[in-house]
Amino acid sequence: EDQVTQSPEALRLQEGESSSLNCSYTVSGLRGLFWYRQDPGKGPEFLFTLYSAGEEKEKERLKATLTKKESFLHITAPKPEDSATYLCAVQAYGGSQGNLIFGKGTKLSVKP
Amino acid sequence: DAMVIQNPRYQVTQFGKPVTLSCSQTLNHNVMYWYQQKSSQAPKLLFHYYDKDFNNEADTPDNFQSRRPNTSFCFLDIRSPGLGDAAMYLCATSIGTPGSPLHFGNGTRLTVT
Repeated sequence: EDQVTQSPEALRLQEGESSSLNCSYTVSGLRGLFWYRQDPGKGPEFLFTLYSAGEEKEKERLKATLTKKESFLHITAPKPEDSATYLCAVQAYGGSQGNLIFGKGTKLSVKP
Repeated sequence: DAMVIQNPRYQVTQFGKPVTLSCSQTLNHNVMYWYQQKSSQAPKLLFHYYDKDFNNEADTPDNFQSRRPNTSFCFLDIRSPGLGDAAMYLCATSIGTPGSPLHFGNGTRLTVT
């Protein structure tokens, strides 16, 4: 069964304190791994897609990396506005048309 | 800006009273999805349309139905809401090619009293 597990469930950082979020996945065949940001009471906002092991993507203070078993979202020198829940999702071969299988997310809090 | 718009943002209904949630898109995407997200849980796919073709997930209760009258609009009908159906309902769209991302609306928060 295709599955996504994210850790930690919650992460509290001081402003400027860099860290990483983990996304472990098991999937029959990976079409793509996606990272989303979700603010309270809002829908997920697309951040990155990674397609193959070794691939990296960057956007401002965020960098996503991918191996054959997991993905990391690295946050460098975070600011309070980076506080949100970060969702990881996979799209598998043979799944419903384009469907994403989500993890439960990591809730990030960045204190000034 | 091209968008996915959900209405209403908040919906309160009574136990057993039918309710309809709506979603519209200006992205002209082929695929529209409905996800259910309960507090601190992962979004869970209920069903999706590829153009006019409806695809139901195996574990989606019969209480949930959907309509897509045209490319731009999609509706979620809950025939007899129970207390366990209280959740955030997310609409998403995609161009439908392998590896393409989903674009989400801001959701409708459903409360069942």
